[in-house]
Amino acid sequence: ETGVTQTPRHLVMGMTNKKSLKCEQHLGHNAMYWYKQSAKKPLELMFVYSLEERVENNSVPSRFSPECPNSSHLFLHLHTLQPEDSALYLCASSQGAGRTYEQYFGPGTRLTVT
Amino acid sequence: AQSVTQLDSHVSVSEGTPVLLRCNYSSSYSPSLFWYVQHPNKGLQLLLKYTSAATLVKGINGFEAEFKKSETSFHLTKPSAHMSDAAEYFCALILTTDSWGKLQFGAGTQVVVTP
Repeated sequence: ETGVTQTPRHLVMGMTNKKSLKCEQHLGHNAMYWYKQSAKKPLELMFVYSLEERVENNSVPSRFSPECPNSSHLFLHLHTLQPEDSALYLCASSQGAGRTYEQYFGPGTRLTVT
Repeated sequence: AQSVTQLDSHVSVSEGTPVLLRCNYSSSYSPSLFWYVQHPNKGLQLLLKYTSAATLVKGINGFEAEFKKSETSFHLTKPSAHMSDAAEYFCALILTTDSWGKLQFGAGTQVVVTP
């Protein structure tokens, strides 16, 4: 595997389920990001991790819980979601966390909440 | 507050003709600016970026963009469209004062290329 991979690619879950999204980067990067892409809103940053420490939480509801166990892996734990949480969730990584570093994106997980 | 506005939600061009995608920004400080492309069922790919060096930036696949501070614009151009350019394009910024690479995106421009 190369670049940034995300699993699963598609997920359908009920409002009472608990599921997790996984992201893995094979680029030796030190920063990782979660973004949300909804149909009616611009791409928005959710979380930033730098050297496995969460450095940005962009006012995301607590039903989304990120985890970064090491610099190569990033998870997004989901519980009691709402239908409006249906979206494409994109993971990205960069060599460092900052404006000069290019972010490399994964293909995303398409989440549908029923 | 800072923001990015993409002036066209859809652009249709004929193959071989020029492409212009318009992006204006609002920011108290000169930001870093980016153009990304997203093909169907794919993640975002960086086309080019401006980070306070040369105002005319060349990117991949023949794209280029010019940073115009007086017009607060960062429009993306390509001299000759190819069928493979059909995709969604996003303009984004990161504030100079930002420490963590917080990309802020415009709403996107869908590009259709006709034969």
